[in-house]
Amino acid sequence: QKEVEQNSGPLSVPEGAIASLNCTYSDRGSQSFFWYRQYSGKSPELIMFIYSNGDKEDGRFTAQLNKASQYVSLLIRDSQPSDSATYLCAVDSASKIIFGSGTRLSIRP
Amino acid sequence: DVKVTQSSRYLVKRTGEKVFLECVQDMDHENMFWYRQDPGLGLRLIYFSYDVKMKEKGDIPEGYSVSREKKERFSLILESASTNQTSMYLCASRSSGSSYNEQFFGPGTRLTVL
Repeated sequence: QKEVEQNSGPLSVPEGAIASLNCTYSDRGSQSFFWYRQYSGKSPELIMFIYSNGDKEDGRFTAQLNKASQYVSLLIRDSQPSDSATYLCAVDSASKIIFGSGTRLSIRP
Repeated sequence: DVKVTQSSRYLVKRTGEKVFLECVQDMDHENMFWYRQDPGLGLRLIYFSYDVKMKEKGDIPEGYSVSREKKERFSLILESASTNQTSMYLCASRSSGSSYNEQFFGPGTRLTVL
């Protein structure tokens, strides 16, 4: 079983809609959870992190964490073509950050 | 502005050559990492270092070695490059002391081994 699992996609969402990206993790001791965005040919950049159960909002982005279910999600409201990228879920585990393989998101006009 | 830099964006080498990939960070971070990224396989950790002169194997260390003589610099070495080491290589750094700390990535080096 992979430590951090994501659906690879591609996930296609119409412009202006909500994109929902999901992630599960295996280490129950993990305390911090990150979402990175990676444009094609570029390196990953952090867009959200969360460490408490519930929701955390930052502009059009909302991260959701459910530690009991070992589940993290990222919602992108009012999706824009510039949101088309690969989104990497990442989990802190024993001083390392473990990355999922990413979900490719495509926003169609 | 925080920065992780890598010595080359693109590199072409021949099979059997010794290859050095250099990474420098200016944030005084204790932890540094080398990943490779291949389509469909995500980010795979090759080696990491918690401190100067310390190194630990990641998930795929075979065929690689590393060196960390100074805190700000972490080098990845391919002793004898092979075609299956053609990949995007990403360096990253992170401050220790808190699980909330972000990991910063360099721009990546796309290595082609012919």
